[in-house]
Amino acid sequence: EIVVTQSPANLSLSPGERATLSCWASQSVSTSLAWIQHKPGQAPRLLIYDASNRAPGIPARFRGSASGADFGLTISSLEPEDFAVYYCQLRTNRPPRITFGGGTRVEMK
Amino acid sequence: QVQLVESGGGVVQPGRSLRLSCAASGFSFGRYTMTWVRQAPGKGLEWLGLISYDGDNEHYADSVKGRFTLSRDNSKNTMFLQMDSLRPDDTAVYYCARELTGGLGFDYWGQGTLVTVSS
Repeated sequence: EIVVTQSPANLSLSPGERATLSCWASQSVSTSLAWIQHKPGQAPRLLIYDASNRAPGIPARFRGSASGADFGLTISSLEPEDFAVYYCQLRTNRPPRITFGGGTRVEMK
Repeated sequence: QVQLVESGGGVVQPGRSLRLSCAASGFSFGRYTMTWVRQAPGKGLEWLGLISYDGDNEHYADSVKGRFTLSRDNSKNTMFLQMDSLRPDDTAVYYCARELTGGLGFDYWGQGTLVTVSS
């Protein structure tokens, strides 16, 4: 069973600052990774798919990266609407399984 | 535009069953793999299962395998989640979502429906 870990669990930052979120899988297997933004009472929102591709309509300040089984999400300059919980989502294919990380809460300092 | 609307949530006693629906519109529903994800109070997102575009293949998280069943009716653009033997720890908001072609992520999500399992 693959375990997906996110770090840090909480991030306290001010608007305009850079946010750096990490996600890693316990095994390096053939996978795809996505990043999801979730705000209370709202539908989750896809930000990044296949590790580094921005979903349609997602601002360029969101950037996904990958290195082996390590993945990252960078928000270059936080806007007020970016304060939310961010999840990485790993998909393995044989058999198909999806595993979410525990989430990183980005809160306003 | 793409819309996913969940329904069927509510309060149910432990051990009972409930069926959730996910009504899709704005896209060719029968071409996409669909999925269910839930969020228990104060917890993160948990994947439950996915069903192939034609309904011929289903895959489940170990936590719900044998209790939950996914199905779909492409003629009605609707996916279902049959939940049996419900437990208090199944209390959560349940979301349906559409999977991008190639399994690269879930690009559209519904607003969710709340299921509360309590006596």
